[in-house]
Amino acid sequence: DAGVTQSPTHLIKTRGQHVTLRCSPISGHKSVSWYQQVLGQGPQFIFQYYEKEERGRGNFPDRFSARQFPNYSSELNVNALLLGDSALYLCASSSTDEQFFGPGTRLTVL
Amino acid sequence: GENVEQHPSTLSVQEGDSAVIKCTYSDSASNYFPWYKQELGKRPQLIIDIRSNVGEKKDQRIAVTLNKTAKHFSLHITETQPEDSAVYFCAASSTNFGNEKLTFGTGTRLTIIP
Repeated sequence: DAGVTQSPTHLIKTRGQHVTLRCSPISGHKSVSWYQQVLGQGPQFIFQYYEKEERGRGNFPDRFSARQFPNYSSELNVNALLLGDSALYLCASSSTDEQFFGPGTRLTVL
Repeated sequence: GENVEQHPSTLSVQEGDSAVIKCTYSDSASNYFPWYKQELGKRPQLIIDIRSNVGEKKDQRIAVTLNKTAKHFSLHITETQPEDSAVYFCAASSTNFGNEKLTFGTGTRLTIIP
């Protein structure tokens, strides 16, 4: 049974560019959440989607957006990248309150 | 919003001894408290969780306790082994199905000394 998958694994961008990160949840899970983990810190909540609807949004600027598709996969988009956006972006899927994380996408902004 | 504090930030214990990590939360509506283990370069892995209707939960060498009145919860690892070395994060959420935002603590780097 496949776990949560994310792509790409690593990404290097320059300031001002935009990026799209992708996540496929565990089969049968309808909820996907996105977190940002800066080196040395705990994950910070960005978004949660359930049944294609946004159910929660963390304290992130409007440059961050996301969506969920009919197959429950999800995309996180970040526009106008800043150096401070460099982090590990984690996707978590859940069917109840237990959240299971994917391997993450390591984004480096130069 | 919810605020979760975690301590200590680093912890070193001799192999075979016990380790305890403590967290406090601020939102009395929080009712779900998971613990995650994160090895270097890896994803956070759920190792144990507890819900507000339970005071203690145990899974082999790992146990978690919850004091709702004091808004404290703790992770206990007994008979520690070198493979327990990792960063541990506590988290809290007020689960409402389809709306489960986790607020994480700042992490504890646990080192097991052989």
